Amino acid sequence: SQQGEEDPQALSIQEGENATMNCSYKTSINNLQWYRQNSGRGLVHLILIRSNEREKHSGRLRVTLDTSKKSSSLLITASRAADTASYFCAVYSGGYQKVTFGTGTKLQVIP
Amino acid sequence: SAVISQKPSRDICQRGTSLTIQCQVDSQVTMMFWYRQQPGQSLTLIATANQGSEATYESGFVIDKFPISRPNLTFSTLTVSNMSPEDSSIYLCSVEVVGALTGELFFGEGSRLTVL
Repeated sequence: SQQGEEDPQALSIQEGENATMNCSYKTSINNLQWYRQNSGRGLVHLILIRSNEREKHSGRLRVTLDTSKKSSSLLITASRAADTASYFCAVYSGGYQKVTFGTGTKLQVIP
Repeated sequence: SAVISQKPSRDICQRGTSLTIQCQVDSQVTMMFWYRQQPGQSLTLIATANQGSEATYESGFVIDKFPISRPNLTFSTLTVSNMSPEDSSIYLCSVEVVGALTGELFFGEGSRLTVL
């Protein structure tokens, strides 16, 4: 079953705007990750945030984690048409030693 | 990082037949997994491929339907047996590699399977 629920399911923005995606999960985690999937392709790892971290940055990406609310957000700043893709959060639970994926957000950036 | 080669990249198969998907990794691998992604859906873990022993299957997936082999650290196969149209999906091989963060996965490009 899916561990993470993401919202929105779909998001359409203009190039240059910021995009925010949210993820909620159910159990305790070791870390939370975000992946990108271009249409029909494999997934690319974007960023990982550990359970004891609250915020992390990587280039135009900013991830926050609130373990008390079991939620995370991914912010993409100054979006580009090339950011058009599906974005998935995924949680790693050490006890299970596996990564479980959320439902995904489909982002469209309009040039 | 890791480069993961999956074959075939896509195939169209007839109902009742079986297809074997191969996954080859160019790096030292700690864990290897097979995921399924049904059309428009997220990824669901099928099983963890264990070197030299039986794979560990998730709830809802069984060895008779999805036999998996992993004869060495960097190679694995997934067979989709006795296929039906409901098996039409993208099948993705993913790995954790030595030196990467725990739980950080690298993915192949996937094998897109259509069953008629």
